[in-house]
Amino acid sequence: DAGVTQSPTHLIKTRGQQVTLRCSPKSGHDTVSWYQQALGQGPQFIFQYYEEEERQRGNFPDRFSGHQFPNYSSELNVNALLLGDSALYLCASSLGARDYERSPLHFGNGTRLTVT
Amino acid sequence: RKEVEQDPGPFNVPEGATVAFNCTYSNSASQSFFWYRQDCRKEPKLLMSVYSSGNEDGRFTAQLNRASQYISLLIRDSKLSDSATYLCVVNDYGQNFVFGPGTRLSVLP
Repeated sequence: DAGVTQSPTHLIKTRGQQVTLRCSPKSGHDTVSWYQQALGQGPQFIFQYYEEEERQRGNFPDRFSGHQFPNYSSELNVNALLLGDSALYLCASSLGARDYERSPLHFGNGTRLTVT
Repeated sequence: RKEVEQDPGPFNVPEGATVAFNCTYSNSASQSFFWYRQDCRKEPKLLMSVYSSGNEDGRFTAQLNRASQYISLLIRDSKLSDSATYLCVVNDYGQNFVFGPGTRLSVLP
């Protein structure tokens, strides 16, 4: 049973560049959420995708955008990178049907992004 | 006030000790509660869901007090392998999962 997979594992970018991170959800899951985790802090919610649409969004600027594909996999795009975007980006999958709030999140290993 | 707050820690305890973590949440409409564990530079992993009646899983006991909007996690007979950051997570109907900042635990030999 494949868990949540993310790629790449690590990434180094320069300010102003754009980055795309990828995520495949756990088998049987249809909802993908993205989180940003700065060092020493808890994960901060970026957005959630269900049925190929953004269902919820956290307090992140429009530079952060995403997409979900028919196979439930997802991408997170960040444009015009800032130094402050350096963080661990976590993808989590869950069940999106009714009672999804009770379906725990299953996380991937994360992508560690460094912006120089 | 932050949505989810936790004991700042760190907690340094000897092996075999009992340790308790507290978490408070601000939204009274919150419906689902979880504790996650995160090892250094790893992803969070579900430790246990928290049910209204309280629940136990081996050495771990979770309690929920809706009136006080308070969640706790008790670890008995601490092991070295329990050293990690413990994240309190709250979910509101129709909203996202909100994570607390985490409480770091170090179990010392």
